[in-house]
Amino acid sequence: DTGVSQNPRHKITKRGQNVTFRCDPISEHNRLYWYRQTLGQGPEFLTYFQNEAQLEKSRLLSDRFSAERPKGSFSTLEIQRTEQGDSAMYLCASSRWGAGENSPLHFGNGTRLTVT
Amino acid sequence: AQSVTQLGSHVSVSEGALVLLRCNYSSSVPPYLFWYVQYPNQGLQLLLKYTSAATLVKGINGFEAEFKKSETSFHLTKPSAHMSDAAEYFCAVSGDAGGTSYGKLTFGQGTILTVHP
Repeated sequence: DTGVSQNPRHKITKRGQNVTFRCDPISEHNRLYWYRQTLGQGPEFLTYFQNEAQLEKSRLLSDRFSAERPKGSFSTLEIQRTEQGDSAMYLCASSRWGAGENSPLHFGNGTRLTVT
Repeated sequence: AQSVTQLGSHVSVSEGALVLLRCNYSSSVPPYLFWYVQYPNQGLQLLLKYTSAATLVKGINGFEAEFKKSETSFHLTKPSAHMSDAAEYFCAVSGDAGGTSYGKLTFGQGTILTVHP
């Protein structure tokens, strides 16, 4: 169990640029989640996948945000035309769900995005 | 719909003293409840979880929490604080106990625990 891996750890970008983050979940986990955490707040749910299917998206996920998990393994989160309000820590988590086993979420160390 | 309220954004204790971090929840379904800890610039680490079994849940690092349905509370305690316990703690409720939204967590705003020598 190598844990959930997120890259990059930090990203500084200028307003209007596009950014992409990657998450590698724990290998046997079939669910993958994205959360966003702003300073002084708890994480907020953005979206989640079961295998390659995106099952739910939060209203927080504007049209500028898109997430994929093409082969049911790693996932990417892309933000187009970044705004200063997108500055936050983006957390990825994974879990194993189903067949009588619902594990809790295991979180990665996050990608901190700063939009200047 | 679910919500979580953590009473006290900052709690300060002396090393060796009792730690009590308060969490109240609101849920339209029987809840699954969690406590996570976050160290600076890191992700969240699970401390313990309540999933409708025993109401007193023991977790890692000597922490425990008691589910009280009548009070809609899930307070986190530790008998004796250690310097290494200094971190931010988050209470969370599952979006759908055991169901398809199991991992869709609603978090409280967090409590920063400071431990003085």
